[in-house]
Amino acid sequence: DTAVSQTPKYLVTQMGNDKSIKCEQNLGHDTMYWYKQDSKKFLKIMFSYNNKELIINETVPNRFSPKSPDKAHLNLHINSLELGDSAVYFCASSQGPFQETQYFGPGTRLLVL
Amino acid sequence: GQQLNQSPQSMFIQEGEDVSMNCTSSSIFNTWLWYKQDPGEGPVLLIALYKAGELTSNGRLTAQFGITRKDSFLNISASIPSDVGIYFCAPNSGYALNFGKGTSLLVTP
Repeated sequence: DTAVSQTPKYLVTQMGNDKSIKCEQNLGHDTMYWYKQDSKKFLKIMFSYNNKELIINETVPNRFSPKSPDKAHLNLHINSLELGDSAVYFCASSQGPFQETQYFGPGTRLLVL
Repeated sequence: GQQLNQSPQSMFIQEGEDVSMNCTSSSIFNTWLWYKQDPGEGPVLLIALYKAGELTSNGRLTAQFGITRKDSFLNISASIPSDVGIYFCAPNSGYALNFGKGTSLLVTP
């Protein structure tokens, strides 16, 4: 059973399009995260939700909008995609907020042309 | 802001060799973690350190939390080909995990 799953695994799209990435965790965790990993493999947190409430919102363009319909899901919607948005996006979850043991999904590889 | 330096950036070694990598920071942390990312996968937690000076092992991996709480090292003994991947230090500020820039490890048979 996959603990943290993301769809799609690959996403290739044109500049200006709007796209969504979905994340689900079946660990019963309260907290979920979105990270961005750039081409140099640098991992940076973008957002965190605890019990469907936003608790971390780093300096991310407002074209990125997370949505948590319930504790087990955290989706990421991106409007007006730009070339610089190309990266690998990882979803993660943890038992509670700021807990060090975070479980990561397999990543979504986004390529904007 | 706090600076996190991880070194070396990459290592290319032969199977059987020991490996050492470290992270230093300008800030003090209460928890220091080490993650490994296999190619095409998400990071996986290897070792968590909670006390300054703590030395913890996980199989062939050993990590220490520096006494000043500003640094940590990870050692891998007798490396094998499946050790290939990117290793990240990730101290926890209590707000979020701060990932280092990673050490890419390549192991040749």
